[in-house]
Amino acid sequence: AQSVTQLDSQVPVFEEAPVELRCNYSSSVSVYLFWYVQYPNQGLQLLLKYLSGSTLVKGINGFEAEFNKSQTSFHLRKPSVHISDTAEYFCAVSGTGFQKLVFGTGTRLLVSP
Amino acid sequence: DAGVTQSPTHLIKTRGQQVTLRCSPKSGHDTVSWYQQALGQGPQFIFQYYEEEERQRGNFPDRFSGHQFPNYSSELNVNALLLGDSALYLCASSLAGVKYEQYFGPGTRLTVT
Repeated sequence: AQSVTQLDSQVPVFEEAPVELRCNYSSSVSVYLFWYVQYPNQGLQLLLKYLSGSTLVKGINGFEAEFNKSQTSFHLRKPSVHISDTAEYFCAVSGTGFQKLVFGTGTRLLVSP
Repeated sequence: DAGVTQSPTHLIKTRGQQVTLRCSPKSGHDTVSWYQQALGQGPQFIFQYYEEEERQRGNFPDRFSGHQFPNYSSELNVNALLLGDSALYLCASSLAGVKYEQYFGPGTRLTVT
């Protein structure tokens, strides 16, 4: 079974500052890793995914994440955030078999001017 | 190309009633997964349908059931509603041969009073 821990429930940051949202996972098997974003009253949108290969993954809207197998982490980063990045961010893991996603509890990113 | 659609958008039911939620997958997708997202929580996997059969199920009671139709659309049924069933219900579609790409709909907000 897999599990995901998002260490920060809320991250406040000023516009144009860098940000890192932390994610750690637990699994006894090989996994795929994902970051999703959820804007208020909307569904989930895929930001990026790690399947295999390069441990640095680039996604949409300027986000990137780094897979670290030894630390079982998949932290999300953006060098300069915008007001429009204010949203809830979810880290998720799945096994390489069935497509079931296991989500963390989410991190609310609050970007202020 | 229409994405994943869900209906209705919002729903209010009374304890003990039954509810049916509907999902149309993204064009070309053949697999539908359902997730429950309680307020302030990450989505939790309910079950997945492929070829009109339940392929995998999460830790949800038998009050939660589903169906997939020949056109790949799906329904989620919940019987004997409890207050704790109040949540955002998300549908995700994917292609069976592509295990890592799930597209989410906007969700149905269910309130049980």
